[in-house]
Amino acid sequence: GENVEQHPSTLSVQEGDSAVIKCTYSDSASNYFPWYKQELGKRPQLIIDIRSNVGEKKDQRIAVTLNKTAKHFSLHITETQPEDSAVYFCAASISSNTGKLIFGQGTTLQVKP
Amino acid sequence: DADVTQTPRNRITKTGKRIMLECSQTKGHDRMYWYRQDPGLGLRLIYYSFDVKDINKGEISDGYSVSRQAQAKFSLSLESAIPNQTALYFCATSHMGEREQFFGPGTRLTVL
Repeated sequence: GENVEQHPSTLSVQEGDSAVIKCTYSDSASNYFPWYKQELGKRPQLIIDIRSNVGEKKDQRIAVTLNKTAKHFSLHITETQPEDSAVYFCAASISSNTGKLIFGQGTTLQVKP
Repeated sequence: DADVTQTPRNRITKTGKRIMLECSQTKGHDRMYWYRQDPGLGLRLIYYSFDVKDINKGEISDGYSVSRQAQAKFSLSLESAIPNQTALYFCATSHMGEREQFFGPGTRLTVL
């Protein structure tokens, strides 16, 4: 079955710096790659996603890149702010019919003021 | 606002007890999911359902059962709780044809 590996497990940056979180997936049939953000004590919420027919997607300070050949995708956050501090989860999905998501292990991002 | 809710929000129980976690949604979504979250392991899928009477196993279904009593309700049961089922449990929903999942607030379960 599908497996998603996420690195690093923790990441600490200074406010204003960039942060990059990387994920690799095992099943080449995966075609949908969302990123969820979970603030402390809150529920996970979708922040950005990318489909396999696109190589990059941006939304203000966040961007996601996908390399299908290498089976990895990354989340880039620029000009980090303290409110970016949270746990970030990547995920992969093979089928829109099932809607099943396989999540990575999570990255705890700390942005120091 | 349409939402996903979970009850209880916190529960402490003892080994061997039966416990049920409830999930309700007012989003009108047909698909519902149960996940557990453990530190360092991310979110792992326990069961999912496309509609009433439809139940599918996820990655880690052993020791759990579910019931989809209505489109808006999806319950997770632990027939005989054990300490390694201590975790944060999330319910999620999605609409057929759309891939974003909407999560409930979570239930923190402690099995002593």
